[in-house]
Amino acid sequence: DVKVTQSSRYLVKRTGEKVFLECVQDMDHENMFWYRQDPGLGLRLIYFSYDVKMKEKGDIPEGYSVSREKKERFSLILESASTNQTSMYLCASSPGWMGTEAFFGQGTRLTVV
Amino acid sequence: GENVEQHPSTLSVQEGDSAVIKCTYSDSASNYFPWYKQELGKGPQLIIDIRSNVGEKKDQRIAVTLNKTAKHFSLHITETQPEDSAVYFCAVTGGGADGLTFGKGTHLIIQP
Repeated sequence: DVKVTQSSRYLVKRTGEKVFLECVQDMDHENMFWYRQDPGLGLRLIYFSYDVKMKEKGDIPEGYSVSREKKERFSLILESASTNQTSMYLCASSPGWMGTEAFFGQGTRLTVV
Repeated sequence: GENVEQHPSTLSVQEGDSAVIKCTYSDSASNYFPWYKQELGKGPQLIIDIRSNVGEKKDQRIAVTLNKTAKHFSLHITETQPEDSAVYFCAVTGGGADGLTFGKGTHLIIQP
């Protein structure tokens, strides 16, 4: 069974902290994505990666960075957490170009206080 | 960029009835149209998808129809059951956009 695993279900961080959200997939997919999900706004793309060490900005990259040192792992970094980054963060991986047939992790609920 | 509109935002149907959720998109070059189901506390799960060279696709009680001329596609669920209660998202990709662009979601409520 395919699996995308996010390291934490719930996180509480303080304003100004550096935050790391980790995602691992076991499907040998080349494409990985980070979305944030907010009520009434749906899912919005933050960053994506089509290969190791490769990254591209999505629709809302401000305040975030990413790292992909290995094919199976894609990390989202909040350089200096702010309260407006309180959200549900979803990682996905995809075998197809541009996110086709994407599989999602269970999500990380981040609260910044 | 791509713009996806999804309606309705909430849909309540009696158990056993059919449910229909509609999405429109803006980029005529888009060519892949998935639907995701998200249950409480879980990540979205792909339930059905359709590509632009097909007008309709069925999988048991669910179906998706695509009208490329009008740039809209719909999810149809027949004989609804309590376990169909969830939030459903449509998505689009394949044009100039990177990754999936999602609609804002439909909260489907199945009344017993």
